[in-house]
Amino acid sequence: NAGVMQNPRHLVRRRGQEARLRCSPMKGHSHVYWYRQLPEEGLKFMVYLQKENIIDESGMPKERFSAEFPKEGPSILRIQQVVRGDSAAYFCASSPMGVEDGSYEQYFGPGTRLTVT
Amino acid sequence: AQSVTQPDIHITVSEGASLELRCNYSYGATPYLFWYVQSPGQGLQLLLKYFSGDTLVQGIKGFEAEFKRSQSSFNLRKPSVHWSDAAEYFCAVYDFNKFYFGSGTKLNVKP
Repeated sequence: NAGVMQNPRHLVRRRGQEARLRCSPMKGHSHVYWYRQLPEEGLKFMVYLQKENIIDESGMPKERFSAEFPKEGPSILRIQQVVRGDSAAYFCASSPMGVEDGSYEQYFGPGTRLTVT
Repeated sequence: AQSVTQPDIHITVSEGASLELRCNYSYGATPYLFWYVQSPGQGLQLLLKYFSGDTLVQGIKGFEAEFKRSQSSFNLRKPSVHWSDAAEYFCAVYDFNKFYFGSGTKLNVKP
């Protein structure tokens, strides 16, 4: 059973370009979470999605960032017009159920390290 | 607001020595508490978790943690550290859909 997969593992973008980060949850998991880790800091929650729905985006910056989890395919975190401050590690986690079903287990992927030059 | 504090940024211990990593949380209700470990360039791996019941919880790799409500703490311990334990450790509290993580403690292990 493959774990949570993220690609690319490393991504370099110039300022002003777009970054697309992909996350494939574990098989059978329909809940996806995105976190950002800045250097020397812990992970900060960004967004929680179920298939075709955004459940909680309270941690997402209001501009330039968006996320989706389509019915088919991976979840995508999209950052438009990247700036140097977006350089960070972005982690995806998945779970088989949501908190409303009593699930508190989140399985983390290896992360995508974004560098903005 | 929920918050997690890990007061030690770096800790160095000798192989075979005991280890305690500190974690304090701020949370209004009974917390759901977790410890994760992150090796360089890797994602997070769950070591152990506390929801309720026995305040001393056992985890993988010989780790344990004790929940102390009076001190708002959830310290991680291991009686004898192995070189392979060198990594970064994160304490987290879970609240309604998301984890709140501490800033982490980097553990170095001396031979």
